[in-house]
Amino acid sequence: SQQGEEDPQALSIQEGENATMNCSYKTSINNLQWYRQNSGRGLVHLILIRSNEREKHSGRLRVTLDTSKKSSSLLITASRAADTASYFCATGYTGANSKLTFGKGITLSVRP
Amino acid sequence: DARVTQTPRHKVTEMGQEVTMRCQPILGHNTVFWYRQTMMQGLELLAYFRNRAPLDDSGMPKDRFSAEMPDATLATLKIQPSEPRDSAVYFCASGLVSGLSGNTIYFGEGSWLTVV
Repeated sequence: SQQGEEDPQALSIQEGENATMNCSYKTSINNLQWYRQNSGRGLVHLILIRSNEREKHSGRLRVTLDTSKKSSSLLITASRAADTASYFCATGYTGANSKLTFGKGITLSVRP
Repeated sequence: DARVTQTPRHKVTEMGQEVTMRCQPILGHNTVFWYRQTMMQGLELLAYFRNRAPLDDSGMPKDRFSAEMPDATLATLKIQPSEPRDSAVYFCASGLVSGLSGNTIYFGEGSWLTVV
């Protein structure tokens, strides 16, 4: 399967702590993206990292990509209760028929 | 603020009935996706369109599901006849996708379908 697999499935941390979520995939990709889904809502794009990039930052988010290990990590620093959500990695491919394939997601709970 | 609009937001229907879900993609986007989300299977890609042409519908049960894009502002997903196992959240997403650029997509809020 081409889809990414997130790890862990669920994560519970205290407000202020850092949250690290991992994603592994099987085939070569053009880019990898992370999305967030709040309960009862659609997915919202957080950050995209291309296959020729190793690290990217956006506010309190830090994403790394290791194409040799076919893995990515999403770090949320100084977590807040509002970060409580499900997080998905999505792998993107080049070509005329490029599409995004999502993993099953990580449920993050940030305790106030 | 541009957004993907889906209707209906919630639908409860009886087994055997036809269900049609509609999506208005973001203006200017060339690619529209239909995903289905369940607890067991996660997010499954059902079908997607590029410039209104269907590119891949291999994720969709062909005997009862159909997806169309009658014009650039409307995509539809139809289930006929519906079954209880079709109960799920159906998401439409759109994006401006090219062969070389990243393909960030924007999701609607979903259509929550319950088939009883």
